[in-house]
Amino acid sequence: DAGITQSPRYKITETGRQVTLMCHQTWSHSYMFWYRQDLGHGLRLIYYSAAADITDKGEVPDGYVVSRSKTENFPLTLESATRSQTSVYFCASTGEVVTGELFFGEGSRLTVL
Amino acid sequence: DQQVKQNSPSLSVQEGRISILNCDYTNSMFDYFLWYKKYPAEGPTFLISISSIKDKNEDGRFTVFLNKSAKHLSLHIVPSQPGDSAVYFCAASQSGNTPLVFGKGTRLSVIA
Repeated sequence: DAGITQSPRYKITETGRQVTLMCHQTWSHSYMFWYRQDLGHGLRLIYYSAAADITDKGEVPDGYVVSRSKTENFPLTLESATRSQTSVYFCASTGEVVTGELFFGEGSRLTVL
Repeated sequence: DQQVKQNSPSLSVQEGRISILNCDYTNSMFDYFLWYKKYPAEGPTFLISISSIKDKNEDGRFTVFLNKSAKHLSLHIVPSQPGDSAVYFCAASQSGNTPLVFGKGTRLSVIA
């Protein structure tokens, strides 16, 4: 019963480096999402995907790239990390309906120095 | 422009009493509302939801009330327990159209 897993759980990197956060789900959910959680901002949507090879921007997509070549994986890449991208990142998935109950991973805490 | 607002960053309640967490929204097209609970170092977990065709939904100690005319919903926890201490996020969506929009969260502390 793995559910949805994120890796790494903790990452420290430097400004300008590329970082990829991985997300893997075992439920074959169609929809997957990336949110970031910041103090004073709550959870903000970065990108989401309705199916393999279909992705859409959320509220704060700048500086991030996503791909979804397989249904179960939804990696998030910061091509050139900035300090403002220091955050806790949550991946989530859900079944057929976009507004269905989301199942979240445990989060990836990223620090950009 | 924040579409889902939780204006109380924190709330402290005594064990056994009622906790009331509030949420306001601005988008009249929202028709589905959810509450999520989040413990430190864990991902949010679904707690309870309500459709806009209802004004109340109850699940054990948790009840969500929806007032569409006021664009307001609230989560009632009765009785509150120390294990309820967490951050609670309100979320809303337009069914079949857009992903969930979350509020900033309210940190609930239940004091024994």
